[in-house]
Amino acid sequence: DAKTTQPNSMESNEEEPVHLPCNHSTISGTDYIHWYRQLPSQGPEYVIHGLTSNVNNRMASLAIAEDRKSSTLILHRATLRDAAVYYCILSRYGGSQGNLIFGKGTKLSVKP
Amino acid sequence: ETGVTQTPRHLVMGMTNKKSLKCEQHLGHNAMYWYKQSAKKPLELMFVYSLEERVENNSVPSRFSPECPNSSHLFLHLHTLQPEDSALYLCASSRTGWPSNNQPQHFGDGTRLSIL
Repeated sequence: DAKTTQPNSMESNEEEPVHLPCNHSTISGTDYIHWYRQLPSQGPEYVIHGLTSNVNNRMASLAIAEDRKSSTLILHRATLRDAAVYYCILSRYGGSQGNLIFGKGTKLSVKP
Repeated sequence: ETGVTQTPRHLVMGMTNKKSLKCEQHLGHNAMYWYKQSAKKPLELMFVYSLEERVENNSVPSRFSPECPNSSHLFLHLHTLQPEDSALYLCASSRTGWPSNNQPQHFGDGTRLSIL
């Protein structure tokens, strides 16, 4: 299954936009790009997913490169509640290990 | 509130005990999953059920035994566990399951299991 590469950690200031990058150079044509986040002492929470086009929802935006080898999760105005570990995951149809293979993610810290 | 409820939230058991973890989803989903999250390791998929049929067993030791009696409930039966099985066990559900890959998964908050 295709892998993703994310920075281990990032910092942001409250009320500023945050751009979380993800590289997935071995992505295949039918792999979806999913983002989840996990707050302390909670299970992962779905954020957004997409295939080729950029996607927006109430939580975030997902910008997908034209060649699909990278993507960026955009939090438009970071709040303290956005401090979490963010996971970028490629989900392959009929993947050998189910669908979601979690990596180590990016730990986002938000400063007031 | 994610719509996925796991009980108990915390469990301490000895290596010779038998216990069960319970997961219930109120979302009308057809697929359910068990994951294991150990300290400093990524989440690992354990089992996948789609329409109450087990479709994935990710090389999990037989001391973990899943059960899916209906599409809303999922159990993980535990027996003769080892100290390295101490971890956070997470349940998730999705509207459709494997092999489909475009459905979000909704997670519970997990059961923190400690093996003495």
